[in-house]
Amino acid sequence: AQSVTQLGSHVSVSEGALVLLRCNYSSSVPPYLFWYVQYPNQGLQLLLKYTSAATLVKGINGFEAEFKKSETSFHLTKPSAHMSDAAEYFCAVTRDSSYKLIFGSGTRLLVRP
Amino acid sequence: NAGVTQTPKFQVLKTGQSMTLQCAQDMNHNSMYWYRQDPGMGLRLIYYSASEGTTDKGEVPNGYNVSRLNKREFSLRLESAAPSQTSVYFCASSEYEGGLQAKNIQYFGAGTRLSVL
Repeated sequence: AQSVTQLGSHVSVSEGALVLLRCNYSSSVPPYLFWYVQYPNQGLQLLLKYTSAATLVKGINGFEAEFKKSETSFHLTKPSAHMSDAAEYFCAVTRDSSYKLIFGSGTRLLVRP
Repeated sequence: NAGVTQTPKFQVLKTGQSMTLQCAQDMNHNSMYWYRQDPGMGLRLIYYSASEGTTDKGEVPNGYNVSRLNKREFSLRLESAAPSQTSVYFCASSEYEGGLQAKNIQYFGAGTRLSVL
């Protein structure tokens, strides 16, 4: 069975600091991995996705994630946090032939001035 | 460009009441989904519809029913609401292209906040 674990329900960084949100997956087959962002009182928006074409994936708003098979990880990073990045971030996994996305429990990013 | 539209945005029910959450998408997607979001649990799939005329259970289907009215619309019904169904409900849609799961990017509505007293 597939699953996703997000380490840290809350992460707090200073504006301008590095953002690192952790995601580890469990999958018996090559996975497809996604990061979604949810701003307050809104639905989820796709940040980026990994589909085996390249291990380093660039997304919107300066975010990127690196797929590391040996570590079963897909951590999300951004070099310099902005106040507008404050939101909840979800990692999700699926596999070919499945319609179902399995979501992690989410990490709320707080950005301090 | 509306995308995925959910109505209502907020609803308060008493235990035992029924209601239907509406969802419509204008992206001509084949697949649609209903999720519930609870604190610390991420999103859990309630039901999904791979294409018009088909529906399947997700992870937490008990207490819910769905109808894929046409390609655009996918409704979620609570027949007898319970306090455990207090949650935020999201509808999503995607265009699934055969084995190309990579293209199954889901687009979400803004959610319905439901409280059951």
